Amino acid sequence: ETGVTQSPTHLIKTRGQQVTLRCSSQSGHNTVSWYQQALGQGPQFIFQYYREEENGRGNFPPRFSGLQFPNYSSELNVNALELDDSALYLCASSLMGEGRNNEQFFGPGTRLTVL
Amino acid sequence: AQSVSQHNHHVILSEAASLELGCNYSYGGTVNLFWYVQYPGQHLQLLLKYFSGDPLVKGIKGFEAEFIKSKFSFNLRKPSVQWSDTAEYFCAVNARAAGNKLTFGGGTRVLVKP
Repeated sequence: ETGVTQSPTHLIKTRGQQVTLRCSSQSGHNTVSWYQQALGQGPQFIFQYYREEENGRGNFPPRFSGLQFPNYSSELNVNALELDDSALYLCASSLMGEGRNNEQFFGPGTRLTVL
Repeated sequence: AQSVSQHNHHVILSEAASLELGCNYSYGGTVNLFWYVQYPGQHLQLLLKYFSGDPLVKGIKGFEAEFIKSKFSFNLRKPSVQWSDTAEYFCAVNARAAGNKLTFGGGTRVLVKP
């Protein structure tokens, strides 16, 4: 276990709806990254939050947005859900800073199904 | 932008056989390299990592990987697999100039027959 937790475990939504996924980072970590893992594929980087600000974004549309809170936990919000958004959403926490190796620790993921 | 290629999508082998999974990346700068494993029903776990130094890296559960800079490769090996090594294996690259973002390969699904 990595100490990274995610909720909920599973979620079913319909097209057009909005969803919020949550992640609690490992104690002492200040950075949270979100990844989307579609079935049969490797995880794809969505974005990263460092000290409550977005610190890099992958090739995902603006309807994917996020937040990081002062306790370093994070939310991923997806608006106007599409069928292709069905995937496992992974959160990873790390400690970023000068001299750090930035190793990321993954949570168990949230399985989102869009019908 | 960096990319990662894993040569085999599926590998089937018997217990005690040797395993080698290929990983190549495209990026000209300095990289950190990782292999993650995802056992059935479990979350991604780090097998091993390379940041600098000795290019032959030893990880958990008897796995090792060799970084060959000239070939942009980071192949994973295990001399003798066990049934419990059945899992999906992902190679990942972090380009240091690109911050903390990981770029993953498509994964290799390994089935070890008892």
